[in-house]
Parts: sequence; C-alpha cells; structure tokens
Amino acid sequence: TQLLEQSPQFLSIQEGENLTVYCNSSSVFSSLQWYRQEPGEGPVLLVTVVTGGEVKKLKRLTFQFGDARKDSSLHITAAQPGDTGLYLCAGGVGGAQKLVFGQGTRLTINP
Amino acid sequence: EAQVTQNPRYLITVTGKKLTVTCSQNMNHEYMSWYRQDPGLGLRQIYYSMNVEVTDKGDVPEGYKVSRKEKRNFPLILESPSPNQTSLYFCASSRPNTNSPLHFGNGTRLTVT
Repeated sequence: TQLLEQSPQFLSIQEGENLTVYCNSSSVFSSLQWYRQEPGEGPVLLVTVVTGGEVKKLKRLTFQFGDARKDSSLHITAAQPGDTGLYLCAGGVGGAQKLVFGQGTRLTINP
Repeated sequence: EAQVTQNPRYLITVTGKKLTVTCSQNMNHEYMSWYRQDPGLGLRQIYYSMNVEVTDKGDVPEGYKVSRKEKRNFPLILESPSPNQTSLYFCASSRPNTNSPLHFGNGTRLTVT
C-alpha cells in the first residue's frame, strides 16, 4: 500500500509569516496534486505537478515535486487569513485514475 | 455551472437501517469515486467507477455498495449501517487520467447511532 505522510498535521501562525508543508513517501508517484478544503466544502484542486523537480507558483504559493517524484512541498509566503484551511496532497498511481491522499495539514493563519 | 451534487448533506440514522447517498455530476466525466474522510486519516477511497457498469473496490469497501447505471449518477449504498461508518463522505468525478483534477461534492455528514 502506498502512503503519503504530510507534515505538520497542524500549523497555526501569524499573518505575514512564511510556512512550508511537506508531503513524503517511499513510493514513486506519476503525479502529485495539492488540494485545499474549507469547512463544509469538498477539496478544490490547487495544482498538479508531474515532472521530477518541477516547480509551480500560484501567487504566494510555491509547489515543488521532488526530483525522484517521491515527495512534494507547498511553501506559502506572507501568509494571509484567507489561506486558512485543510491542505491535502494526493499522489497519482499508475495509468488509471487512482489517487492516494495524505492525512492533511490543517493551517490556521491568525490576523 | 459544472458541479458534483451530493444528497443529503446531513444524515442521522440508526444501526441496520439501509440508506443511500446520491451523487450526480454534470460534466460528462467517465470516472467517479467515493471517499470517506476521518480525522487523522485523510481521504480514503471506498469505491470507484471508470465508466458505466464498471465499478471497483477502493481501499475501504467493506459495508458499502455502489452502482453505475448511468454516466452522471453514482449512488453509495449502506445496506446495514454500523456506528463505525459514521464519517464525512465525498463523491468526486474526473476525466479518466491520473493527472486530471478531481471535482468533489460538498460532502455528506453521516451519523449512525
């Protein structure tokens, strides 16, 4: 069974600080997706990375896929209260649509 | 508007009383899936379907059934619910490609007493 370990599971910081969330595995994934989930809603896709070493930026969010495609990170610069939510990483497995999800990181940005 | 619709949003029931959670998508997606979300465990896949009349077990299928008679609908059936099935359930759909994003419904919070 392929597992994705996210860390930290909980993170509470002040507005304006920077943070990094990690998603690690011993398995190789064909792609890595990051989702954000707000209370009462389903997860919403933020980004998909597919190439080892790939870096994608979404405003203040930077996503990186590890060179060996076993890990990924999400870095937020100058966090805002609107960044508060549950962040989930999900690794793509094989050719069929099969995603393995991490446990999630619950992020709280305090004003 | 492209969306995945689940019903009901909240459901409280008793052990053993059969229930169905409906899921419908309007994006003509071939792939549909059910997940349950529990604290500290993330999203775990229950069942998925690659197309009409094609369904497969996910990681935690015990106690659940699904059907895919039409492309847009993928109901989740609990024939005899038990308290350990108390959870937050999500339906999702996508194109049949690992890199395609999953589109999630807004969830069904189920409590089995």
